[in-house]
Amino acid sequence: QVQLVQSGAEVKKPGASVKVSCKASNYTFLSYGINWVRQAPGQGLEWMGWISAYNGDTKYPQKLQGRVTMTTDTSTSTAYLELMGLRSDDTAVYYCELISGAFDLWGQGTMVTVSS
Amino acid sequence: DAVLTQSPLSLPVTLGQPASISCRSSQSLVYRDGDTYLNWFQQRPGQSPRRLIYKVSDRDSGVPDRFSGSGSGTDFTLKISRVEAEDVGVYYCMQGTHWPRTFGGGTKVEIK
Repeated sequence: QVQLVQSGAEVKKPGASVKVSCKASNYTFLSYGINWVRQAPGQGLEWMGWISAYNGDTKYPQKLQGRVTMTTDTSTSTAYLELMGLRSDDTAVYYCELISGAFDLWGQGTMVTVSS
Repeated sequence: DAVLTQSPLSLPVTLGQPASISCRSSQSLVYRDGDTYLNWFQQRPGQSPRRLIYKVSDRDSGVPDRFSGSGSGTDFTLKISRVEAEDVGVYYCMQGTHWPRTFGGGTKVEIK
């Protein structure tokens, strides 16, 4: 059974960085793209970017350019999201989503709290 | 960016009755390959989102056939033929045609 397991909750101070991981098991990681999506408390879903596990190509929304970096480690089937220069409005649950055509799977989410 | 506008914001439904959610895009979602990459997601309370429908009308594996998607171009609809208690949650449309990907604002389905 394919599973996506994300890293645990984080509490960070404003200006710091956070790195969230998303580990996949029991499938061929290289075949997929990974979206990162976040959800602020009580709010809707916001797309944060996409990375190809095959060749590392990335796409980011303009509002996060320069603050976000997505990477993958194919040897461990793990995707990473790094967000820098954290602000209070970055407080959210961060999800990874594995996609390939008819296949779609979400991680359990990682709560990131930014507070002084 | 392709702005997706969902309506209604809130949808109280009687068990066993149908429900319909609209998603309108500010630009056509037809990709150069001829396909239209409009997806629907369900988020139950306290859970991660789950994709129900992809490419307008293709149902994901394990999704009950009471869920159906339709539409074309800029105008799309998710229908639930007979609402069950487990369908309570927030539903989002999302377009995968243009960068950046964008989500609709969500529609909260609740039982009357």
